[in-house]
Amino acid sequence: QKEVEQDPGPLSVPEGAIVSLNCTYSNSAFQYFMWYRQYSRKGPELLMYTYSSGNKEDGRFTAQVDKSSKYISLFIRDSQPSDSATYLCAALDQGGATNKLIFGTGTLLAVQP
Amino acid sequence: NAGVTQTPKFQVLKTGQSMTLQCAQDMNHEYMSWYRQDPGMGLRLIHYSVGAGITDQGEVPNGYNVSRSTTEDFPLRLLSAAPSQTSVYFCASSQGQGRNTIYFGEGSWLTVV
Repeated sequence: QKEVEQDPGPLSVPEGAIVSLNCTYSNSAFQYFMWYRQYSRKGPELLMYTYSSGNKEDGRFTAQVDKSSKYISLFIRDSQPSDSATYLCAALDQGGATNKLIFGTGTLLAVQP
Repeated sequence: NAGVTQTPKFQVLKTGQSMTLQCAQDMNHEYMSWYRQDPGMGLRLIHYSVGAGITDQGEVPNGYNVSRSTTEDFPLRLLSAAPSQTSVYFCASSQGQGRNTIYFGEGSWLTVV
């Protein structure tokens, strides 16, 4: 079992829809969670990060962590065609000598105009 | 503002050949890492470095070598290429470990035939 699981999609939605992207994780010691966005043929770029449980909002994007169910979510309001990309969730593993990011496999999102 | 620069962008190798993927960053970051990205597997850490002269193995280090002689450069060497090393490779850097934003290069597409 991967430590961070993510539905690969693809997910196709019409412009203006609310998008929900989800991941689960297995290690209850994880406390920092990130969402990266990756456009086609590009490197991932950090979208948001959250600490422990709760919500964090940035414009049209909201990141949510539920530590009791080990569930992390990214919501995109009023989705735009420019949001079409692969979204990667990640959890920070602080258990070893060096912190490491554990990535999900990514969800491919297509927003249709 | 170059950020993380990777070369080459595309490369085709024959089985058994060796090559080096170059990575340079101009942000004076201490932490650098190499990932490979494969369909259904997500981003997996190959090797990382916490500073000049210090390297360590990640999740999938076999068949790869790294060195860090300067803060700026972190080359990845494929010793004897195998078809299983066909992948997209991303170099990344950050100011520190974990919670700091990781900046990715644009990727190197490698095919081993």
